[in-house]
Amino acid sequence: NAGVMQNPRHLVRRRGQEARLRCSPMKGHSHVYWYRQLPEEGLKFMVYLQKENIIDESGMPKERFSAEFPKEGPSILRIQQVVRGDSAAYFCASSRLQGWNQPQHFGDGTRLSIL
Amino acid sequence: GENVEQHPSTLSVQEGDSAVIKCTYSDSASNYFPWYKQELGKGPQLIIDIRSNVGEKKDQRIAVTLNKTAKHFSLHITETQPEDSAVYFCAAITGNQFYFGTGTSLTVIP
Repeated sequence: NAGVMQNPRHLVRRRGQEARLRCSPMKGHSHVYWYRQLPEEGLKFMVYLQKENIIDESGMPKERFSAEFPKEGPSILRIQQVVRGDSAAYFCASSRLQGWNQPQHFGDGTRLSIL
Repeated sequence: GENVEQHPSTLSVQEGDSAVIKCTYSDSASNYFPWYKQELGKGPQLIIDIRSNVGEKKDQRIAVTLNKTAKHFSLHITETQPEDSAVYFCAAITGNQFYFGTGTSLTVIP
């Protein structure tokens, strides 16, 4: 499967726990973007990363959320001390070339549920 | 920042008819306008895109038109089929960010 791979597809956490969401970009893509989608809403940008660099994190909440894209391995979106409001679908996208005006290809998302 | 509005929020058409979804944007610097189709439980799938130096683009039954002066762009689906039923999102991209519309839920009635 040459598409963007996200795992897990579904994640259930209790309030106060940590959630780790993983994203492997398409082969040959070195730019990764994370988005959050609430029910009945569009996608909201969170963060844009290249290998070992955060390019734009203007959409990330100031606390509890962090993201990385190491030299080896998938990109990770980490949410510490989760709260009910973190329940959402989190999508990762990747692009081959740099720049916001490049086509982004999405994975099928991680549905995060907070009990 | 950019503000993207999308209409209608829901749309039902008979199989074989055409469907049109419209989006407006506010930032004249926006220069890239993709459209995504999202099926239930799946991620958005890029179906067509247009850049600001082009007024119209077509790919089989799907076409997109762009009016830079009026700052609006539209998705046209002809000869609709039941498998076209999904949520469609427009987006407008400025130099440094994607802005998505709120989505249109399209139902094609057999």
